[in-house]
Amino acid sequence: EDQVTQSPEALRLQEGESSSLNCSYTVSGLRGLFWYRQDPGKGPEFLFTLYSAGEEKEKERLKATLTKKESFLHITAPKPEDSATYLCAVQAQQAGTALIFGKGTTLSVSS
Amino acid sequence: GAGVSQTPSNKVTEKGKYVELRCDPISGHTALYWYRQSLGQGPEFLIYFQGTGAADDSGLPNDRFFAVRPEGSVSTLKIQRTERGDSAVYLCASSLRRGGQRLKSLTGELFFGEGSRLTVL
Repeated sequence: EDQVTQSPEALRLQEGESSSLNCSYTVSGLRGLFWYRQDPGKGPEFLFTLYSAGEEKEKERLKATLTKKESFLHITAPKPEDSATYLCAVQAQQAGTALIFGKGTTLSVSS
Repeated sequence: GAGVSQTPSNKVTEKGKYVELRCDPISGHTALYWYRQSLGQGPEFLIYFQGTGAADDSGLPNDRFFAVRPEGSVSTLKIQRTERGDSAVYLCASSLRRGGQRLKSLTGELFFGEGSRLTVL
């Protein structure tokens, strides 16, 4: 069964304290792995797409990496405005266009 | 409009009632998706439209749920005989599919609305 597990469930950081969020997945043929950001009361906002092991994408203080079993979202020198829930999702070869989401990691950055 | 619009933003209903949730996608986006998000969970896929037709409805939990997109733009999710377990935020998303584009370059990059929060008492 295709599955996505994110850890930790919650993460508290001080402003400037770098860290990483983990997304482990099992899927029958990976078509793509996606990271989204979700603010309270809002819909998810697309961040990155990764297609193959070894691929990396960067955007401001965020960098996403991918291996054959997991993806990491690295946050460098976070700011309070980076506080949000970060969702990881996979798209399987056999699942059409449906995304399978993890439960997310809720990040809180305090100044 | 500039983004995906969903109405109502909040809906409170009684068990057994019928509910309709509306989604107005980004202009020109041919692909439209419905997801459901329960508290503390990630979004769960319900149905995908490409144009007017439901290309994948494998996520609909049972026959009380139905969705339409008659003109290939606005979509309505319909829930009959609502149950307390249907309470969740219903998210709509759209994406742009162009003929000739590689499928995988577009299908996961979704633009979500803010959702319709459904509460069944």
